[in-house]
Amino acid sequence: SQQGEEDPQALSIQEGENATMNCSYKTSINNLQWYRQNSGRGLVHLILIRSNEREKHSGRLRVTLDTSKKSSSLLITASRAADTASYFCATDSSNDYKLSFGAGTTVTVRA
Amino acid sequence: GAVVSQHPSWVICKSGTSVKIECRSLDFQATTMFWYRQFPKQSLMLMATSNEGSKATYEQGVEKDKFLINHASLTLSTLTVTSAHPEDSSFYICSARDLPDYNEKLFFGSGTQLSVL
Repeated sequence: SQQGEEDPQALSIQEGENATMNCSYKTSINNLQWYRQNSGRGLVHLILIRSNEREKHSGRLRVTLDTSKKSSSLLITASRAADTASYFCATDSSNDYKLSFGAGTTVTVRA
Repeated sequence: GAVVSQHPSWVICKSGTSVKIECRSLDFQATTMFWYRQFPKQSLMLMATSNEGSKATYEQGVEKDKFLINHASLTLSTLTVTSAHPEDSSFYICSARDLPDYNEKLFFGSGTQLSVL
């Protein structure tokens, strides 16, 4: 079942700007992951943040996790046209091998 | 990184026929694979968890006789959509974990677009 809610549903920005999207979830988690999906393709793993971590960086990506608010954010800095895609958060809950995906944020980066 | 190959990328079939989708882990062994379904502009909905050498575990509301899953080896899982109908038209994606540790990322196939006429 789906437990993540993402906000906004869609985002359009100019190349070079930053893009921020948020994810909220309902139950306790082991970790939270962010994935990217280009149109008509599979998902690509971007970053994983564990429940005891608060912030993580990977290149131009910055992820935060607030377990007290059950929320996470993904920031893409200095966006490029190639960042145009849908971004999904996914949670890995306790005692469960399965990932639950959020509804996704569609990001369009204009050249 | 680990590679998951999914085949075919797209398939068009007539109503009433069966369609088989293959998911292979190319450079690692996957004791567990997952099958998802995705409608346009929507999220991924988990259909079933495929375990090597045992029966698949289906999510609530997914018909196991409709969506047959076979995970006969550590590198191959198949999803067969039996007696397909137009409402089965969707994007199907498989994924697998590289390690038995549940606390790790998933590797996804490139997906299969199924269109049932």
